Amino acid sequence: GAGVSQTPSNKVTEKGKYVELRCDPISGHTALYWYRQSLGQGPEFLIYFQGTGAADDSGLPNDRFFAVRPEGSVSTLKIQRTERGDSAVYLCASSSAGGASTDTQYFGPGTRLTVL
Amino acid sequence: AQSVTQLGSHVSVSEGALVLLRCNYSSSVPPYLFWYVQYPNQGLQLLLKYTTGATLVKGINGFEAEFKKSETSFHLTKPSAHMSDAAEYFCAVGPLLQGAQKLVFGQGTRLTINP
Repeated sequence: GAGVSQTPSNKVTEKGKYVELRCDPISGHTALYWYRQSLGQGPEFLIYFQGTGAADDSGLPNDRFFAVRPEGSVSTLKIQRTERGDSAVYLCASSSAGGASTDTQYFGPGTRLTVL
Repeated sequence: AQSVTQLGSHVSVSEGALVLLRCNYSSSVPPYLFWYVQYPNQGLQLLLKYTTGATLVKGINGFEAEFKKSETSFHLTKPSAHMSDAAEYFCAVGPLLQGAQKLVFGQGTRLTINP
């Protein structure tokens, strides 16, 4: 079946604007993750959903960042009052089987966010 | 806390030569360890993972890695490099506790294959 998809693939915005990034996980996957990858760095964990609820949001950098998954499938990462430092590739991943520690996380291609 | 260090941000080898990408981790409990590959404009793809059991793990595309607890290492190897192996490789350590799903990634190693 289809893999994890993310839209848009690229987003350019101005400082102070609001943006939404969308993730469509693999069908049937109950666990969904968001990571942020800055230039030259490895991905950094932001938030993890199990079903509709955020099971761990300890990686969100501040209260400008928020994510939802209202029906337990598609997720939206929302960033308010964007700053130039938010520029990065935002990665989404999903996994099956209740999100056990050893479940494989399947990653989407990412959304490249540029804040001017 | 867990952490990962990948030694060498860039590695260059000739086609047909041995590939060795180094990864050392820090963990206060037995870790779960992963290698992911990222091709240009594509998502991260799992190469292999170690959870428990056999310490030599075989993955896709001829790659393998060996978990060495005494050295806190999980180096990635491939006997003979192919041009198609050129990509960015990330080592990651898994969560400490059941239910905590954070992967902690190293900074990545860019592998270049010379013809």
